Amino acid sequence: AQTVTQSQPEMSVQEAETVTLSCTYDTSESNYYLFWYKQPPSRQMILVIRQEAYKQQNATENRFSVNFQKAAKSFSLKISDSQLGDTAMYFCAFMKQEWSGAGSYQLTFGKGTKLSVIP
Amino acid sequence: EAQVTQNPRYLITVTGKKLTVTCSQNMNHEYMSWYRQDPGLGLRQIYYSMNVEVTDKGDVPEGYKVSRKEKRNFPLILESPSPNQTSLYFCASKGTGSRETQYFGPGTRLLVL
Repeated sequence: AQTVTQSQPEMSVQEAETVTLSCTYDTSESNYYLFWYKQPPSRQMILVIRQEAYKQQNATENRFSVNFQKAAKSFSLKISDSQLGDTAMYFCAFMKQEWSGAGSYQLTFGKGTKLSVIP
Repeated sequence: EAQVTQNPRYLITVTGKKLTVTCSQNMNHEYMSWYRQDPGLGLRQIYYSMNVEVTDKGDVPEGYKVSRKEKRNFPLILESPSPNQTSLYFCASKGTGSRETQYFGPGTRLLVL
């Protein structure tokens, strides 16, 4: 079984500054995906960024980037130029890669980090 | 517009009164699943379905049932709800293949008194 740990229950950052959210995971799988989801006050789950474990290059999406350290099983999210709209709960998630198409595609989530962007 | 819809969005009920939360997707996805979100616990998978008439348990299936009679619909059934099923529920769908993005519905907030 996989576990995902987010050690920072709450964080805050000044608008326009940079913040990094931490995530570590434990798995015996070699092939997997890692995700960061954003959940604003509307409760909608929004995919922020995805990393495929076989790729060494860190994923980036505009102001969002990750630092993926496979050996250390670490997957942190960096938000640059923080904006008020970034205020949300952020969840790190793990999914095992399924080759046969018969797997559960289950996302294993961390407990979340509540990020507040301060004007 | 590609989307996953859930109904109702909010529901207050009493212990033991059967209820169904509907989920529908318009993307012709084979895979659908249900998660529940509780404070301090993140999201946990309840049930999933790989295709019509194919369902299986996730991590927290107790007290829930599902059915998949049509590809687009995946209702969650609580036969005898209890207060510990008070939670925020999400339906999700994705196409076959690990690289496909998983789409989430807007969530259903359930309160069982």
